[in-house]
Amino acid sequence: SQQGEEDPQALSIQEGENATMNCSYKTSINNLQWYRQNSGRGLVHLILIRSNEREKHSGRLRVTLDTSKKSSSLLITASRAADTASYFCATSFQGGSEKLVFGKGTKLTVNP
Amino acid sequence: DTEVTQTPKHLVMGMTNKKSLKCEQHMGHRAMYWYKQKAKKPPELMFVYSYEKLSINESVPSRFSPECPNSSLLNLHLHALQPEDSALYLCASSQMTWSTGANVLTFGAGSRLTVL
Repeated sequence: SQQGEEDPQALSIQEGENATMNCSYKTSINNLQWYRQNSGRGLVHLILIRSNEREKHSGRLRVTLDTSKKSSSLLITASRAADTASYFCATSFQGGSEKLVFGKGTKLTVNP
Repeated sequence: DTEVTQTPKHLVMGMTNKKSLKCEQHMGHRAMYWYKQKAKKPPELMFVYSYEKLSINESVPSRFSPECPNSSLLNLHLHALQPEDSALYLCASSQMTWSTGANVLTFGAGSRLTVL
């Protein structure tokens, strides 16, 4: 399967703490993206990292990519209750850029 | 306009009914997608239209029939569905930037389908 695997499946933290989610994938990629989904709603794009990049920042988000290990991590710093959501990595594979395949997701709960 | 609009938000149908899900975007995006999402699972790709032509069909049963009447509209026609087809159906669009290889999707809020 090309699908990414997120780790952990669920994460519960206190407000103000950092949250780290990991994603692993199996085949060579063009880029890797992270999306967020609030319960039962559509997904929102957070950040994209290309295969030739190693780290990217956007506000409180930091994404890393290790193509040798076929893995990525998403760090949310100084978390807020409003960050409670499911987070998915999505990969676009070489030779198939129309097709975006989502990983299994991490359910993050930030407790006030 | 930076939205993808899906209608209806909720749909309940019997196994013999014919219904349609609709999706609209006015961002000038040339690729449109249907994803299916079961509870606590990731979205699963069903169909992709590129420049109004079906470019990807992920072996979806024929009881799901996509249609792209123009570059702004995407429909999913439903007929003789099964209870296991109950799910959240998500529409998305993207402005495919081939030169950069980036394909960022803008999603609608979804249509929650219940098949009785």
